[in-house]
Amino acid sequence: KNQVEQSPQSLIILEGKNCTLQCNYTVSPFSNLRWYKQDTGRGPVSLTIMTFSENTKSNGRYTATLDADTKQSSLHITASQLSDSASYICVVSARGNNRLAFGKGNQVVVIP
Amino acid sequence: IAGITQAPTSQILAAGRRMTLRCTQDMRHNAMYWYRQDLGLGLRLIHYSNTAGTTGKGEVPDGYSVSRANTDDFPLTLASAVPSQTSVYFCASSDNSGSADTQYFGPGTRLTVL
Repeated sequence: KNQVEQSPQSLIILEGKNCTLQCNYTVSPFSNLRWYKQDTGRGPVSLTIMTFSENTKSNGRYTATLDADTKQSSLHITASQLSDSASYICVVSARGNNRLAFGKGNQVVVIP
Repeated sequence: IAGITQAPTSQILAAGRRMTLRCTQDMRHNAMYWYRQDLGLGLRLIHYSNTAGTTGKGEVPDGYSVSRANTDDFPLTLASAVPSQTSVYFCASSDNSGSADTQYFGPGTRLTVL
C-alpha cells in the first residue's frame, strides 16, 4: 500500500477559480512534507516544505496546510491561471531516513 | 548555472542493447538520485549516492547500475534493456542526504525500449 495517497486523481477547473488538493500519508516517524509541481515534460519543482511544527506555508498563490495529528495535508491554489496546469506531487520524508515517499500526483487542468 | 542536466532528452532503444543515461549537476551537491516515473505509479527510486564514491540501491534497482566517480556526474546504465524499462527517468540531487534536504530534479530522459 502506498504510504502517500492523493486526491482527486485529476480535476479540471476554470481560470480564476480556486481549488484544493488533498494528501494523506502514513509515513512515520514524520520529518517533513513537500509539495512539488511538475509541468508536462519537465522535472518536479519544489513549491513548499513543512515540518511537524508548521501547519501552513504559502508560496505566492499556493498555500499548503499540514495536520500532523491526522496525517493530512492540502494544497490550495488561489485564482488559478493557465500556467497552473500541472501535476502536483505530495512527498513525505521520514525522520532519520533520506528516502522519500511520493504520492502519484494530482493532475490539474486549468481551462480558459 | 545550469543546475542538473540530463542526456539524452529521449531515446528509442532495441531490447537487449546497452544504454547509459547521463546526469550532471553543477551545484556541488553531495547526494544524487535516479528515479523512474511511470503512469499511475508515480516516482520510484532506482539508485542513489550519498556522496562521491558511494552508491546504494533504491526501490527498483534490478536491471540498472550506477557509478559515482566524482561529485558532478551520476550515470545510470541499463546493461541489457527490456521493454519494461520504458519510462521517463529523472535524475535529482540534494545538498546532503538528510530528510530535510530538498531534492532538485533534472528535465528527464524519455526512454522507449522496443
